[in-house]
Amino acid sequence: AQTVTQSQPEMSVQEAETVTLSCTYDTSESDYYLFWYKQPPSRQMILVIRQEAYKQQNATENRFSVNFQKAAKSFSLKISDSQLGDAAMYFCAYRSAVGSARQLTFGSGTQLTVLP
Amino acid sequence: ETGVTQTPRHLVMGMTNKKSLKCEQHLGHNAMYWYKQSAKKPLELMFVYSLEERVENNSVPSRFSPECPNSSHLFLHLHTLQPEDSALYLCASSRGNSGANVLTFGAGSRLTVL
Repeated sequence: AQTVTQSQPEMSVQEAETVTLSCTYDTSESDYYLFWYKQPPSRQMILVIRQEAYKQQNATENRFSVNFQKAAKSFSLKISDSQLGDAAMYFCAYRSAVGSARQLTFGSGTQLTVLP
Repeated sequence: ETGVTQTPRHLVMGMTNKKSLKCEQHLGHNAMYWYKQSAKKPLELMFVYSLEERVENNSVPSRFSPECPNSSHLFLHLHTLQPEDSALYLCASSRGNSGANVLTFGAGSRLTVL
């Protein structure tokens, strides 16, 4: 079974600065998808960014980008120009591309605090 | 306004009660999910309904019973729950259940079992 590990339970960043959240995963598959979701105090999980494993190019979405290292099984999220609204719990997630195990597997989350 | 709506937002129940959580999606998706989110633990998939299949997590106790009458509605029926079942229950939907499909989540139902 796949596992997702987020080793930083809490992180903080100064407003307008850059922060990187870490995520590693364990899998024997070659085709899969990786996601970062954000859960603010409103509790709704919101997709931040998605990466397809067969694409070597790192995904970017405005101020959010990832560093995908397939061989190292690492998928970190970089938030540039941090804003107060970025404060939330961030979850890394893995999903197989095929087969019965293609459900989302989540890490335990990183609580991000943005300091004014 | 989210495309996935969950009711109620908060629910307090005793161990002998029977209640239901409701989820409705307005996105035209054809797969729906129940997740359990407990403090300090990763999200746990409970059930999946899609056109192709219904998938259950075999570790989910029988006191949780899902119902999916159509592709837009999903229920989680609760009976004789235990205090350890207190958690945030998240509903999600997607267009299909392949690995590429992105899940859209609701805001959750916070359940407290006394």
